[in-house]
Amino acid sequence: KNQVEQSPQSLIILEGKNCTLQCNYTVSPFSNLRWYKQDTGRGPVSLTIMTFSENTKSNGRYTATLDADTKQSSLHITASQLSDSASYICVVSPPSDYKLSFGAGTTVTVRA
Amino acid sequence: KAGVTQTPRYLIKTRGQQVTLSCSPISGHRSVSWYQQTPGQGLQFLFEYFSETQRNKGNFPGRFSGRQFSNSRSEMNVSTLELGDSALYLCASSMTQTKRPPNYGYTFGSGTRLTVV
Repeated sequence: KNQVEQSPQSLIILEGKNCTLQCNYTVSPFSNLRWYKQDTGRGPVSLTIMTFSENTKSNGRYTATLDADTKQSSLHITASQLSDSASYICVVSPPSDYKLSFGAGTTVTVRA
Repeated sequence: KAGVTQTPRYLIKTRGQQVTLSCSPISGHRSVSWYQQTPGQGLQFLFEYFSETQRNKGNFPGRFSGRQFSNSRSEMNVSTLELGDSALYLCASSMTQTKRPPNYGYTFGSGTRLTVV
């Protein structure tokens, strides 16, 4: 069973609207959680990184939250743009950092 | 500062052939990890190299191998290619764990798209 579950699998939103992506994890112990954006055919690009002691982290229109007690994270996209169309991947690190656990990703499609 | 460079970007091979992919990490990064990404399986960890030594390995058959050179550049080799090996192969580099803060992220390359026909 995957230790990182993302939902929804995909979503379609209209340009200018907001959306929220979910990430639930069971990785324990836990060191940090990262959100990546991956455009089709490209490598993932880091959006936010949060340690277990942080609750929220923003990067422009992207805001990630973390609840280490419930082992849940969310990524909120504000005022979506066409360029936000991509796959968003949640990655969780245990203290042994090279053993990353990846979610399957949420594919976001922004339509004009 | 140059990012992680992967070559080639695209590759088409036939079944049974072997292939070598290259990854040049960010200058100063000594850890290089390799991942396979397919639509059905998502990102899967292949192996990680640090100081020319394989430090960790994922659950892939022995046909998948790699190595790292003294300048931290890494290569990945897949022998006896199968149709199921068609995927985007990504590498990521990072500082050594003892030198980076806990919120430091991995930097990925753009990947090599391998198609086996």
